[in-house]
Amino acid sequence: SQELEQSPQSLIVQEGKNLTINCTSSKTLYGLYWYKQKYGEGLIFLMMLQKGGEEKSHEKITAKLDEKKQQSSLHITASQPSHAGIYLCGAQYSGAGSYQLTFGKGTKLSVIP
Amino acid sequence: NAGVMQNPRHLVRRRGQEARLRCSPMKGHSHVYWYRQLPEEGLKFMVYLQKENIIDESGMPKERFSAEFPKEGPSILRIQQVVRGDSAAYFCASSLYKGWETQYFGPGTRLLVL
Repeated sequence: SQELEQSPQSLIVQEGKNLTINCTSSKTLYGLYWYKQKYGEGLIFLMMLQKGGEEKSHEKITAKLDEKKQQSSLHITASQPSHAGIYLCGAQYSGAGSYQLTFGKGTKLSVIP
Repeated sequence: NAGVMQNPRHLVRRRGQEARLRCSPMKGHSHVYWYRQLPEEGLKFMVYLQKENIIDESGMPKERFSAEFPKEGPSILRIQQVVRGDSAAYFCASSLYKGWETQYFGPGTRLLVL
């Protein structure tokens, strides 16, 4: 199975600061999903990227997919305590089993008021 | 609530018992996926089902695990003769169509095997 690396593993930021989470794939992506998981709960869909160079924003969260479609970043502007949680990137690859999402291990974000 | 529903949210079983996990997809969704999240590990794909069909069970352990998605009713993930290593969070996701459609996840069932 393809390798998907997320960094950093954990992040502690002061409220109001910006932050970036990265997700790198060893193979070209067909699609890249970002989810947020609150501790002990389910996954909340944030954004999905498919085209090289694509960028999407929702409120204070922006996700980008590089031109080569192997790396994505999630950027949070002016972080708030409500942003705290575990951010997961999920990759889709073309070919057989393309519906399977391969997940990174997640980035645990804490926001200090 | 139009989201993916899973029950129970928490399940405790003793070794050797059976565990049944239920998943009701979002309204109108006919594609269901099960994932398992072991402690300190990422989410791993287990099985993909459409109504009355198992499409891909390549991520399912070969023994003791089975899944179904009947014409009526929720999808069921069944684990027979549970062992401590089965303790994990089991998530169900659904999509409107297969393939490139967004998968929406349920809240998960946390299984603890004593």
